[in-house]
Amino acid sequence: DIVMTQSPDSLAVSLGERATINCKSSQSVLYNSNNKNYFAWYQQKPGQPPKLLFYSASTRASGVPDRFSGSGSGTDFTLTISSLQAEDVAVYYCQQYYTNTRTFGQGTKVEIK
Amino acid sequence: EVQLVETGGGLVQPGGSLRLSCAASGFTFSNYWMSWVRQAPGKGLEWLAKIKQDGSEKYYVDSVKGRFTISRDNAQKSLYLQMNSLRAEDSAVYYCARDLCGALTCAGYDAFDIWGQGTIITVSS
Repeated sequence: DIVMTQSPDSLAVSLGERATINCKSSQSVLYNSNNKNYFAWYQQKPGQPPKLLFYSASTRASGVPDRFSGSGSGTDFTLTISSLQAEDVAVYYCQQYYTNTRTFGQGTKVEIK
Repeated sequence: EVQLVETGGGLVQPGGSLRLSCAASGFTFSNYWMSWVRQAPGKGLEWLAKIKQDGSEKYYVDSVKGRFTISRDNAQKSLYLQMNSLRAEDSAVYYCARDLCGALTCAGYDAFDIWGQGTIITVSS
């Protein structure tokens, strides 16, 4: 199975500042025939199910604010919140869907400093 | 409104069985690959199983293979998870989730765009 490793496990950022989360996969999730990364980011707030933020590594899901951005390819990916808002406090998960057995990263908790 | 609603959770003894249901509404259920994902208390997300639009293909994570069975009834717009030989470590919130791609040509490699609210399973004596 592909192992997804996020860093850091948690981070505290001041309101209005940038937050950056990294995710590394144990093997490439880039499908060469269509040049798409089979990779997604989710946001989960307490007591709620996860919410899709990005798919194909950098395609923003419907309704996601543009202060969120996704980047990366192959094995290394980044989620950036350009200006942290109070409502962005959550746990963020990466996921690969390159294989039939999909795997998630362990999660990164984002808090306000 | 596009919606998934899980039911069937509860308290079960170790070694027992439980069947979860996920009722879909607001979309053409039979066009989508569907999955089950769980989250143990205070832990991360674990994908468990997925099923093809017509039910002809099923895939499982190793930790539940042979104990859990995913199935669907497209006429009833419902997804199921039969869980047998339950263990304490199966205690979690169980979510059903829909693949982003909604066409019969979709191959089952996609992100999850719709999630249910989850149902809680507690395995304890």
